[in-house]
Amino acid sequence: EPEVTQTPSHQVTQMGQEVILRCVPISNHLYFYWYRQILGQKVEFLVSFYNNEISEKSEIFDDQFSVERPDGSNFTLKIRSTKLEDSAMYFCASSEGHTGELFFGEGSRLTVL
Amino acid sequence: GNSVTQMEGPVTLSEEAFLTINCTYTATGYPSLFWYVQYPGEGLQLLLKATKADDKGSNKGFEATYRKETTSFHLEKGSVQVSDSAVYFCALSYNFNKFYFGSGTKLNVKP
Repeated sequence: EPEVTQTPSHQVTQMGQEVILRCVPISNHLYFYWYRQILGQKVEFLVSFYNNEISEKSEIFDDQFSVERPDGSNFTLKIRSTKLEDSAMYFCASSEGHTGELFFGEGSRLTVL
Repeated sequence: GNSVTQMEGPVTLSEEAFLTINCTYTATGYPSLFWYVQYPGEGLQLLLKATKADDKGSNKGFEATYRKETTSFHLEKGSVQVSDSAVYFCALSYNFNKFYFGSGTKLNVKP
């Protein structure tokens, strides 16, 4: 069964470093998303991406964040200069259309020291 | 604003017990409501949804009814199995693009 895959599963980084989280969405899906969950808190929307551009972003998704679909299969989230408060589980998701059914990866846990 | 609040876990039940996981929402309009489930080692996946008031979503023996008067979407199952052990997330969305999730409720079912 097709699935969304994310790498790395866990990354530890120093404050101020750049981090790239990678995702391979399901191949025929057109919509791509990043969500995150800080430990013990709600799962929060970061950004949605369609037709090679951001379709919607939250107030969390500031200039430190960027997304890219560099080669037609990967979908990446870059954090330019990480802060302690960026420590969270980051979930990538994709969907075929606007049906309400998102397919999520297992998540990438980011720890910023 | 828009938000979802769900009961804190973990919830521990014996096999064949009745399950209720409470979810209430705050919304500025008329969203669709969802339950997603995350099994161990997997990503979140859609369990069921309801798109308007009084709709009942159902799947795999789970049910939830969209109650506008109480702003609730409680998840129920009549007889849980060990394989239902997972984290359950309640969510709302207006455009099926941006979702507002709760913090998740972990369910442990013991044999």
